[in-house]
Amino acid sequence: GAGVSQSPSNKVTEKGKDVELRCDPISGHTALYWYRQSLGQGLEFLIYFQGNSAPDKSGLPSDRFSAERTGGSVSTLTIQRTQQEDSAVYLCASSLAWQGEAFFGQGTRLTVV
Amino acid sequence: AQRVTQPEKLLSVFKGAPVELKCNYSYSGSPELFWYVQYSRQRLQLLLRHISRESIKGFTADLNKGETSFHLKKPFAQEEDSAMYYCALSGSGGGADGLTFGKGTHLIIQP
Repeated sequence: GAGVSQSPSNKVTEKGKDVELRCDPISGHTALYWYRQSLGQGLEFLIYFQGNSAPDKSGLPSDRFSAERTGGSVSTLTIQRTQQEDSAVYLCASSLAWQGEAFFGQGTRLTVV
Repeated sequence: AQRVTQPEKLLSVFKGAPVELKCNYSYSGSPELFWYVQYSRQRLQLLLRHISRESIKGFTADLNKGETSFHLKKPFAQEEDSAMYYCALSGSGGGADGLTFGKGTHLIIQP
């Protein structure tokens, strides 16, 4: 595709439910990042993939959060038993290499009610 | 650990006035520094990176290793510069820390 694609663009879920957020990076980009953007908190780094592997998962806020990437392409971020504090915009970005320019998706706005 | 600090949450200047958005970083090695911008209802996008040493939309940023700063400057602000600006750092240690962003500065250019 022409850019990084994220789905859904908006998600409203009930507290306690699981949600899955999807990121489709730019074709050929080996590095993929997940960030969380909360009001007044800037961009919080969650996890980074180089290919299919994630060298460091310590940025994930809790064990309710997990992420995977298969085939070196699409990535999913899963939040189990959602809480109201999980409400935020979740951004995905990809780059050709880990130190290259990152291209961002439009984000998924998650609202937990 | 790498860290990026943007001390101003909000900066408001008049059109035509100079603009300086501050960014300080903490990193033990040789970092790569970036400025990203997010205009209203648009994606976050790269504005400039220090290794390019170029001026984009009239903005420049110089990496000062002594002061560990990478301030963004423009001599004459325009209304279309109103946006959220994020300073970011990428370390040289293999990417495990990803791109670290500051909390952002909301720039408002008043007519």
